[in-house]
Amino acid sequence: AQSVTQLGSHVSVSEGALVLLRCNYSSSVPPYLFWYVQYPNQGLQLLLKYTSAATLVKGINGFEAEFKKSETSFHLTKPSAHMSDAAEYFCAVSDEGTYKYIFGTGTRLKVLA
Amino acid sequence: EPEVTQTPSHQVTQMGQEVILRCVPISNHLYFYWYRQILGQKVEFLVSFYNNEISEKSEIFDDQFSVERPDGSNFTLKIRSTKLEDSAMYFCASSPTSGSSYEQYFGPGTRLTVT
Repeated sequence: AQSVTQLGSHVSVSEGALVLLRCNYSSSVPPYLFWYVQYPNQGLQLLLKYTSAATLVKGINGFEAEFKKSETSFHLTKPSAHMSDAAEYFCAVSDEGTYKYIFGTGTRLKVLA
Repeated sequence: EPEVTQTPSHQVTQMGQEVILRCVPISNHLYFYWYRQILGQKVEFLVSFYNNEISEKSEIFDDQFSVERPDGSNFTLKIRSTKLEDSAMYFCASSPTSGSSYEQYFGPGTRLTVT
């Protein structure tokens, strides 16, 4: 069965520093991959998605992620963290032919002034 | 911008009671979903719904759960006899069409606390 692993339940970075949130999936067949962000008391908002087009995907708020088949990874990055990036980030995967998402456990990002 | 809404934001109920969680999906969307997140655990898929019937469900979605689209705008999740382990955040989502590549739009969630 498909699974998603997010390393680091909590990540702290200084404002202006690089943000790197890790996501690995288990499927041997490239799936569809998503990153969602959840701000306090809000729903899950789509940051970006990979659907077998370009391996480097750009999303909203300056985030991007690179699909690496050889590493079964889809890590999320942002060159320079902003205080407003503090939130919980979820990686999700969906296989062809199914409607459901499989989520990782989430990573809570803290941005230090 | 259209968004998925959910009510209530927080529901407290006693074990054995029935609860109904409500969602209003985005108006032109056709596919609807429920997920839940037990505190400290992963967001888990419960069920997907299309054309007034369940299209897929997980092992979690047993006979005590049901879904309904009663009036063309609301999408509800009913838990017939709540258990302590049903305490979780429940998320509703919708998407404009099927297919794994189409993103799902999530609501803010309903926190269910069973005492």
